[in-house]
Amino acid sequence: DAGVIQSPRHEVTEMGQEVTLRCKPISGHDYLFWYRQTMMRGLELLIYFNNNVPIDDSGMPEDRFSAKMPNASFSTLKIQPSEPRDSAVYFCASIPAWGTSSYNEQFFGPGTRLTVL
Amino acid sequence: DAKTTQPTSMDCAEGRAANLPCNHSTISGNEYVYWYRQIHSQGPQYIIHGLKNNETNEMASLIITEDRKSSTLILPHATLRDTAVYYCIVRVGGADGLTFGKGTHLIIQP
Repeated sequence: DAGVIQSPRHEVTEMGQEVTLRCKPISGHDYLFWYRQTMMRGLELLIYFNNNVPIDDSGMPEDRFSAKMPNASFSTLKIQPSEPRDSAVYFCASIPAWGTSSYNEQFFGPGTRLTVL
Repeated sequence: DAKTTQPTSMDCAEGRAANLPCNHSTISGNEYVYWYRQIHSQGPQYIIHGLKNNETNEMASLIITEDRKSSTLILPHATLRDTAVYYCIVRVGGADGLTFGKGTHLIIQP
């Protein structure tokens, strides 16, 4: 298995531009999580999905951020318009369905390093 | 989720056992202790978790005190590749998100 796949790995953009980050979870996993990591705030949960439905988006910082999961194998995190304070590493993670042997283990992707100038 | 306290950093010699402590004095009866680590520039990686019994897997051992107010993660034979930030997380098992603290930066010395 290829693991959780994220693209792009690095993104540099200018303030005000739209940014779209992509995630492909591990095949068969029912839950998908988006996290953000900065030096100041550490790792923070932004939003998570179960069976493509958003369950908890209380960590999404503001309306400029939106996340979708149109199908079981793809999710996007969009920032529009982007600001310099959005610069961070964004991680996607997934877990399998409840009751499976690795249910308690979140599998993280390699992250996308976003720089907003 | 219960709050955890970990040392900011620790050193360990290569080949020796690395013992990483975690205090979680407010842990509830239904909360588990999880450990993740993050190697530089990579995503976090699950290591182990437990409720009240000691646990061991191919990566590490987890020792939880009888009162469950503290635990120790043991890497039995540390290698340079074990240099990472180690996070102790206390939570009810399940599918919700993880709450990461600052963790312990473990440095394995050659």
